[in-house]
Amino acid sequence: DAGITQSPRHKVTETGTPVTLRCHQTENHRYMYWYRQDPGHGLRLIHYSYGVKDTDKGEVSDGYSVSRSKTEDFLLTLESATSSQTSVYFCAISPSGGPYNEQFFGPGTRLTVL
Amino acid sequence: AQSVTQLDSQVPVFEEAPVELRCNYSSSVSVYLFWYVQYPNQGLQLLLKYLSGSTLVKGINGFEAEFNKSQTSFHLRKPSVHISDTAEYFCAVSDTDSNYQLIWGAGTKLIIKP
Repeated sequence: DAGITQSPRHKVTETGTPVTLRCHQTENHRYMYWYRQDPGHGLRLIHYSYGVKDTDKGEVSDGYSVSRSKTEDFLLTLESATSSQTSVYFCAISPSGGPYNEQFFGPGTRLTVL
Repeated sequence: AQSVTQLDSQVPVFEEAPVELRCNYSSSVSVYLFWYVQYPNQGLQLLLKYLSGSTLVKGINGFEAEFNKSQTSFHLRKPSVHISDTAEYFCAVSDTDSNYQLIWGAGTKLIIKP
């Protein structure tokens, strides 16, 4: 299994509070991704990173920010959580961003915003 | 814009019966196609991929898929399913228009009936 961990694995928070999710990899892969998974929508890309301090927006980036200060860590922050951000969040990594873009996934974080 | 359509949200099938999970995509350029599997309460893992060459692709756990360019399809098949195949299956496409980011289908839940 690819060395990807996510923390926390479960979190319950209240509307308006800040939340940070962490993704940590031991594979030294260049690309890292944050997705959210909701029933009927499959996976939707929030943000991705193609190197330290290099990030870009995905399809559903509003309300989220990211940071990558080290190769191994990619943080996803919800500045002020809303109920619409209740979801399962997956981190993925990939050695390249090219067409052979196999991604390896972490175990997920289930976030509930009350 | 690219899109991926998985025509069935759920597919019930008896154990040891064959199964086909359907995936259609829209893209006007060369595509790279993937099937991922998500077992209950886990992250996603790669089942198989089409990058080039033979249109029949074999993956793990006895699954195979066929790329049909004229019908823009990449259907997943298995000749005989087992209880352990119970999972959600996701089709994804990557091409130059998406900057090689994966565009995901909504997923198909495979339900194995004993």
